[in-house]
Amino acid sequence: GNSVTQMEGPVTLSEEAFLTINCTYTATGYPITLFWYVQYPGEGLQLLLKATKADDKGSNKGFEATYRKETTSFHLEKGSVQVSDSAVYFCALRTMNSGYSTLTFGKGTMLLVSP
Amino acid sequence: DAGVIQSPRHEVTEMGQEVTLRCKPISGHNSLFWYRQTMMRGLELLIYFNNNVPIDDSGMPEDRFSAKMPNASFSTLKIQPSEPRDSAVYFCASGSDTPGFNYEQYFGPGTRLTVT
Repeated sequence: GNSVTQMEGPVTLSEEAFLTINCTYTATGYPITLFWYVQYPGEGLQLLLKATKADDKGSNKGFEATYRKETTSFHLEKGSVQVSDSAVYFCALRTMNSGYSTLTFGKGTMLLVSP
Repeated sequence: DAGVIQSPRHEVTEMGQEVTLRCKPISGHNSLFWYRQTMMRGLELLIYFNNNVPIDDSGMPEDRFSAKMPNASFSTLKIQPSEPRDSAVYFCASGSDTPGFNYEQYFGPGTRLTVT
């Protein structure tokens, strides 16, 4: 089956520190698209970035992730985090199930950034 | 676009009562998903619809849970009877499998359900 594994949180950083949140996946067949979603307190999930093919890099708001087929990974990085980046981050894999598109989510990684 | 709309935002009910959660997807989307989020189990897919038809309800925990999508602009998730372990945040999401769309899912703000 399909699965997504993320590093456990919380990840605690000081403002302006470098961020990496690891994400690896297993997929039946070729993964179609990889996503990172972000959930701020009290809100629903929002799409942060995506990559649709191997070696593709998704980027948004200073965050980046590269779709690595050889290591089945899609690690999230940001060079300098801000307090406002504190949230839960979800890695997700789009797959086809009986001809229909669904997302398989990781368990989420909480990021806490202190001033 | 108003995004995915869910109601109510908060629901507190007593054990044994019926609970109905509502969702209005983004216009033009043909897929709709119901998720449940708890601290213990994280984000779980309960059921998804494509073109108003339920495709996979294997995530629905028990027969007490049921979901309907009578038309393209409305869906309900019903719990009858409710139990304290049903307390969670329930999210509705919509998306599109139509070629040319991005296949990403757009989430509503969620309904926080508390069953006492």
